[in-house]
Amino acid sequence: RKEVEQDPGPFNVPEGATVAFNCTYSNSASQSFFWYRQDCRKEPKLLMSVYSSGNEDGRFTAQLNRASQYISLLIRDSKLSDSATYLCVVNQAGTALIFGKGTTLSVSS
Amino acid sequence: DGGITQSPKYLFRKEGQNVTLSCEQNLNHDAMYWYRQDPGQGLRLIYYSQIVNDFQKGDIAEGYSVSREKKESFPLTVTSAQKNPTAFYLCASNGLVGRANTEAFFGQGTRLTVV
Repeated sequence: RKEVEQDPGPFNVPEGATVAFNCTYSNSASQSFFWYRQDCRKEPKLLMSVYSSGNEDGRFTAQLNRASQYISLLIRDSKLSDSATYLCVVNQAGTALIFGKGTTLSVSS
Repeated sequence: DGGITQSPKYLFRKEGQNVTLSCEQNLNHDAMYWYRQDPGQGLRLIYYSQIVNDFQKGDIAEGYSVSREKKESFPLTVTSAQKNPTAFYLCASNGLVGRANTEAFFGQGTRLTVV
């Protein structure tokens, strides 16, 4: 089993749609979880950290399920500007950041 | 302003040459990382360092070398032993708070092309 797995997509949705991405991880000792966004030919940028209690930032909601070892990202009211690749990142202190391969989102008008 | 800087942005290498990619951060982060990204692919870990004068191989370390003589700097050398070096190289850093790592910040990347 790969350490961090994501559905590569692409997810093609119309503007205004709600879309959800999931990411599973294999190391139960993982302590830090993040979602990053990467635009074409650019560096990844932090979208949001993922906390045990779940967290929300505007149209974006992230959740962590430690028992099932997955994290999720929900995007509501999708905008054209949300089109990008979304990377799931998992980390255990003292070890390297582990990235999923990313999920591609394309929002169309 | 605090941040992480990679240079150069674009680099062209002749067959058989070694080249060094620079990565500098002034965020006082302990950990630094080098990743390689090929078109349409995810990030693959080359090397990482959690502390000065120490570093560990990642999944694809062959043909690469690094050093960590200063906390702020983590240069990557792409040697002639790397048979397919054309790729987008990303450097990142993060810190440690308690027992958890903070979010990572990335440099703008270096696009290396073998000519």
